[in-house]
Amino acid sequence: QVQLRQSGAEVKKPGASVTVSCKASGYTFSDSSIHWVRQAPGEGLEWMAWSNPSGATVFAQKFEGRVSVTTDASINTAYLDVSRLTSDDTAIYFCARDTRGFIDFWGQGTLVTVSS
Amino acid sequence: IQMTQSPPSLSASVGDRVTITCRTSQAISVSLAWYQQKPGKAPKLLLYAASALGSGVPSRFSGSGSGTDFTLTISSLQPEDSATYYCLHYYLTPNSFGQGTKLEIK
Repeated sequence: QVQLRQSGAEVKKPGASVTVSCKASGYTFSDSSIHWVRQAPGEGLEWMAWSNPSGATVFAQKFEGRVSVTTDASINTAYLDVSRLTSDDTAIYFCARDTRGFIDFWGQGTLVTVSS
Repeated sequence: IQMTQSPPSLSASVGDRVTITCRTSQAISVSLAWYQQKPGKAPKLLLYAASALGSGVPSRFSGSGSGTDFTLTISSLQPEDSATYYCLHYYLTPNSFGQGTKLEIK
């Protein structure tokens, strides 16, 4: 069955960077794009970024220059890097699959806590 | 593209018909999806292309609309429908989500 298995929870200090990984299985990874979405505690969903198998990327304007997304097709894994963390980046980060132009399946989420 | 979802919350009884609306700041054809999220869980796809039912989604869920105005309807509310619902436009990237509607069962 389709799975998107994300890396475990992280605790980071302000100013640090974090990498979240997302390993896909149960479908052809190279036939899909990956979205990244985050959810701050008690808040709604916030779309962050998108990447496709060709390496094209799009970012929400607020994350431009501070967020990068990469994929390693050899191990069916996508990565989200967020730098210069602040307390406002405390959130659950989700990866999500896109096979038909929209998000159709989600990872379980990774909690990133930014605290001094 | 800005998304306006309403209401922010609602409370309804089992068997009720419930409608949630989503409005976009520009026309997006039918490039709209709806998701259901339960506490502590990842969202789940309900509908795409404004009205197409996702895999395994009960037929009491339906969607309509095109252009800038969309609705999600639950025809006969069930206890397990207690959740937060989000719309998402995918007309272009970046995509964006509505603010969410928290649905409570009375």
